[in-house]
Amino acid sequence: AQSVTQLGSHVSVSEGALVLLRCNYSSSVPPYLFWYVQYPNQGLQLLLKYTTGATLVKGINGFEAEFKKSETSFHLTKPSAHMSDAAEYFCAVGDSSYKLIFGSGTRLLVRP
Amino acid sequence: DSGVTQTPKHLITATGQRVTLRCSPRSGDLSVYWYQQSLDQGLQFLIQYYNGEERAKGNILERFSAQQFPDLHSELNLSSLELGDSALYFCASMSGGSTYNEQFFGPGTRLTVL
Repeated sequence: AQSVTQLGSHVSVSEGALVLLRCNYSSSVPPYLFWYVQYPNQGLQLLLKYTTGATLVKGINGFEAEFKKSETSFHLTKPSAHMSDAAEYFCAVGDSSYKLIFGSGTRLLVRP
Repeated sequence: DSGVTQTPKHLITATGQRVTLRCSPRSGDLSVYWYQQSLDQGLQFLIQYYNGEERAKGNILERFSAQQFPDLHSELNLSSLELGDSALYFCASMSGGSTYNEQFFGPGTRLTVL
């Protein structure tokens, strides 16, 4: 069965600093991987997804993630944090019935 | 705006009661998913419908049921409510059913059981 582990329930960075949110997955088949963002009192919005092809995936708002099969990881990065990036981020793996299995989420805090 | 609508936004009710949450998917999307987000369980998949038929089931309690109607809107029915059912319930829709297209999430219904 697929599963996702997000390391760090809270990550705090200074504005302008690198953002790194960690995600490791477990999947017996080639995975479909996603990062979603949830702003306060809102639904989830897709940042980026990996299905097949290029292992470096670029998403919206300057985020990108690299699929590393050997490390079973799909970490999310952004070179320079902005105050508006403060939100909760969820990594998810898709299973064969196209439902999403989510990690526990990482809350990103951006310090001025 | 994802194009997915959910009503009501907030629902406050008492233990033992029954409620219905409604979801309208994006125009043309055939798949509807229901997820529950709670502090202790996180985001969990409940159930999926595709073009009116149940496609997949997750950690959905027997007290909960759902259906998708011919116009593709979906309803999630929660009965014999318990305090632990208090959560944010999301609906998501996806076009097609055979590839990994994006799931678009609605704004959610916040259920509070007192």
